[in-house]
Amino acid sequence: EVQLVESGGGLVQPGGSLRLSCAASGFTFSSYWMSWVRQAPGKGLEWVANIKQDGSEKYYVDSVKGRFTISRDNAKNSLYLQMNSLRAEDTAVYYCARALVSLADNWFDPWGQGTLVTVSS
Amino acid sequence: SYELTQPPSVSVSPGQTARITCSGDALPKKYAYWYQQKSGQAPVLVIYEDSKRPSGIPERFSGSSSGTMATLTISGAQVEDEADYYCYSTDSSGNHRGVFGGGTKLTVL
Repeated sequence: EVQLVESGGGLVQPGGSLRLSCAASGFTFSSYWMSWVRQAPGKGLEWVANIKQDGSEKYYVDSVKGRFTISRDNAKNSLYLQMNSLRAEDTAVYYCARALVSLADNWFDPWGQGTLVTVSS
Repeated sequence: SYELTQPPSVSVSPGQTARITCSGDALPKKYAYWYQQKSGQAPVLVIYEDSKRPSGIPERFSGSSSGTMATLTISGAQVEDEADYYCYSTDSSGNHRGVFGGGTKLTVL
C-alpha cells in the first residue's frame, strides 16, 4: 500500500523558517516525481512545487519562488520542503503527493494526510 | 496567470445526476483531472486524463471534456458523494506547472 506521511508542521513567526518532511513507502520512491500541494484554511488547493526523480528539475508556483526549496533523499525515501521568509499567507495544510508526469501533463496520486503550518506572531 | 473556473456549489437530491463543470483556455490541449475532498480528509483522485477512472472509484463517476470545458458527472449521486470537488490541469507553457480550480461544494440531500 502506498503511504505518504508528512511531518514538521507547526507554529512559526512571520519571517521564520520551517522544514517539512514526507516519508514515502509502498512504492519505488526513486522512480517518481514528487510534489507539495497546500490548502489555506477554508480555501482551495494550490500546487506548490514539483521535483524530478533525481532532483535535477524543480518547479515552483510563483508565490514561493526564492523562499521555498523542494528536495528529496532517495536513499531515505523522503521528500522535503524548506520554507524560509514565511508569511501569514503561507498558513496552510501542506500535502505531499506522488506526481505522475506525462509528456503533456502532471497530476497527483495519492496524497498524504497533510501537516499544518501556521505563520503568526 | 492561468485559471480554471468552477461553480462554487452544486446541489442534487440522492439518485439524481450531478454535473460539475470546469472551464479553462488550455483545456482543448490539456487533460483535466478531478479530485474529491471530503471534510477533514486529503483529496482523492476520481478522474484522470479527462475521462479515465482510477481503480476503486465507483462507476457512477465519469468525466468528459469538450473545447474549453471539462465536466465531472456523478450519475445517481449518493449521500456519501457530498464533498468538495476540484479540477486540475497544467497550463499551456509545459507539463510541470499546474493549477486547481476554485472547487465546487457538492451537496446531496
